[in-house]
Amino acid sequence: GENVEQHPSTLSVQEGDSAVIKCTYSDSASNYFPWYKQELGKRPQLIIDIRSNVGEKKDQRIAVTLNKTAKHFSLHITETQPEDSAVYFCAASLYSSASKIIFGSGTRLSIRP
Amino acid sequence: DSGVTQTPKHLITATGQRVTLRCSPRSGDLSVYWYQQSLDQGLQFLIQYYNGEERAKGNILERFSAQQFPDLHSELNLSSLELGDSALYFCASSVDTSGLYTDTQYFGPGTRLTVL
Repeated sequence: GENVEQHPSTLSVQEGDSAVIKCTYSDSASNYFPWYKQELGKRPQLIIDIRSNVGEKKDQRIAVTLNKTAKHFSLHITETQPEDSAVYFCAASLYSSASKIIFGSGTRLSIRP
Repeated sequence: DSGVTQTPKHLITATGQRVTLRCSPRSGDLSVYWYQQSLDQGLQFLIQYYNGEERAKGNILERFSAQQFPDLHSELNLSSLELGDSALYFCASSVDTSGLYTDTQYFGPGTRLTVL
């Protein structure tokens, strides 16, 4: 079955700097890659997603890149702000009659003032 | 607010007991997913229902079961509870009708279960 690995597990960056979180997946047929942000004690919230027919997607300070050949995708946050501090989860999914999203283990991002 | 509701918010019970968690999906969403998140852990997929029928199973214990009713709300039943079942339980919903790609999942606020 699908397996998603996420690195690093923790990341601390200076406010204003960029943060990059990387994920790899095992099933080459996966075609949907969402990223979720989870603040302490709250629900995971979708921040951006990408489908396999595109290589990059950007939404203001957040961007995701996908390399299908290498089976990895990354989240880039530029000009980080204190409110970016949270746990970020990547995920991969293959649509089928029994589709399910497999999540990475999460990255705890801390923004230093 | 994602539009997905879960009740109760908190649940405290004893080992060996049985509890039921409830989830109402967003209006129009046909799929409901259940996830377990233990302290400082990731999201473990438990089970998915689509329009009343079980569609996919993850690492769900035999002591756990779920169902989706005709009005599309779902219940997760946890029985013979153990200390290790203490966790946040999230449900998520999606439209799930595209036929090509997995649709976006929207998460509810979660139910925090504490087993003493």
